[in-house]
This record gives sequence, C-alpha cells and structure tokens, in this order.
Amino acid sequence: NAGVTQTPKFQVLKTGQSMTLQCAQDMNHEYMSWYRQDPGMGLRLIHYSVGAGITDQGEVPNGYNVSRSTTEDFPLRLLSAAPSQTSVYFCASKIGGANPNEQFFGPGTRLTVL
Amino acid sequence: AQRVTQPEKLLSVFKGAPVELKCNYSYSGSPELFWYVQYSRQRLQLLLRHISRESIKGFTADLNKGETSFHLKKPFAQEEDSAMYYCAPGTAGGGNKLTFGTGTQLKVEL
Repeated sequence: NAGVTQTPKFQVLKTGQSMTLQCAQDMNHEYMSWYRQDPGMGLRLIHYSVGAGITDQGEVPNGYNVSRSTTEDFPLRLLSAAPSQTSVYFCASKIGGANPNEQFFGPGTRLTVL
Repeated sequence: AQRVTQPEKLLSVFKGAPVELKCNYSYSGSPELFWYVQYSRQRLQLLLRHISRESIKGFTADLNKGETSFHLKKPFAQEEDSAMYYCAPGTAGGGNKLTFGTGTQLKVEL
C-alpha cells in the first residue's frame, strides 16, 4: 500500500492564481481531511469528508474548496491564492465510525504564494 | 469551546535527562487523546493514544481527568527523540475530528 499520497510536493503561485492540491489514499478509508501547518499555530483543519459525496468545513475553510467524488481522492482547490495561504498542507485519512481513530498523514505539500 | 494547550514551543533537554511534554485540554464530554510526532522531513505519525495505555519508544502518557492533562513523558531522552510533538484530543461523533495543539519542538542535545 502506498498509504496517503500528495502531489505536488512543492508549489509556488502568484497572488490570484488557482490550483488544486491532490490527495489520494489506497486504504479504503472513509474519512479524509485537509490541514494546514503554520509555525506557532499547529495543524488547523480546513475541510473534511466522512465519505464519498459528503464534505464539511473545518476550522479555516475560507479560500478553499473540496470535493469527494470517490473514496480514494480528496482534492483541495485554492480558487484565488493569497499570500496568507502560504503554508504546508497535509492530507490525512482514517477509517470511519464513531470513534476518533488513528489518522494517517500524507507527506505534505509546501505552498508559497507570492 | 474545545481547546488544547501545549504551553512550550520549544523544549531542550540533554541526552539521558527526563522529558515531559505538557498538554492540557478543555473538552466537553470524554475525549480520546493522542500524541502525534513529526520527525525531521517525515510525515506526521501516531505516537500513542491514551486508550491503549501502552509505551511507545519509551514514551508514556497518562490521562488525568481531574487536571484535564495528557502529558507525554520519557525517563531518559535519546537524540532520536528530537522532533515536533502534537497533542490531539478527539471526540466521538460529529465527524470525529481531531483538534491539534500548537506543538512542542523537542531538542535533545548531546
């Protein structure tokens, strides 16, 4: 199993550009989520999904869109990049169910917005 | 509101010294607590969870409901323990989201 994969590893954007960060998992996990990691702020939840066709907002959703058309994929879209979105982005997945089980993380995407 | 506090941004200890990474939480209900670790240039990974009551890489963490704390401890620090540590409480239901603390960077010096 590849686990959770993310592409690209690095990206530089200009303000106003759009792009999609890709995330895929091959563990048949129902739950997937996106976090951003900023110095001194830990990991903050952007969006999450409890299954295909279902998404919901996390703590910091503004400026980001997600969709979940398949169990495997959970792309994160930046509609109009801003310097405040410079961050490291992590995708994570876990099995579904009522309990907060272990999350498996991808390697991260380091995004710089100029 | 659900909140988790890791008061130390950086903790520097000498090799062989005891380590305690502090975590306090403010949660409604009965949260399940995790410690995640991120070694340099690696992805985040689960270190331990309180429900398992296990010791991983010499680390233990006891849930103290009275003090609402879940401090991570190790009696003798090793150089390879240098990493970023995140405390993460989660609750059942509601998408069972995790809330991560701001993290503590542990540096073990020789």
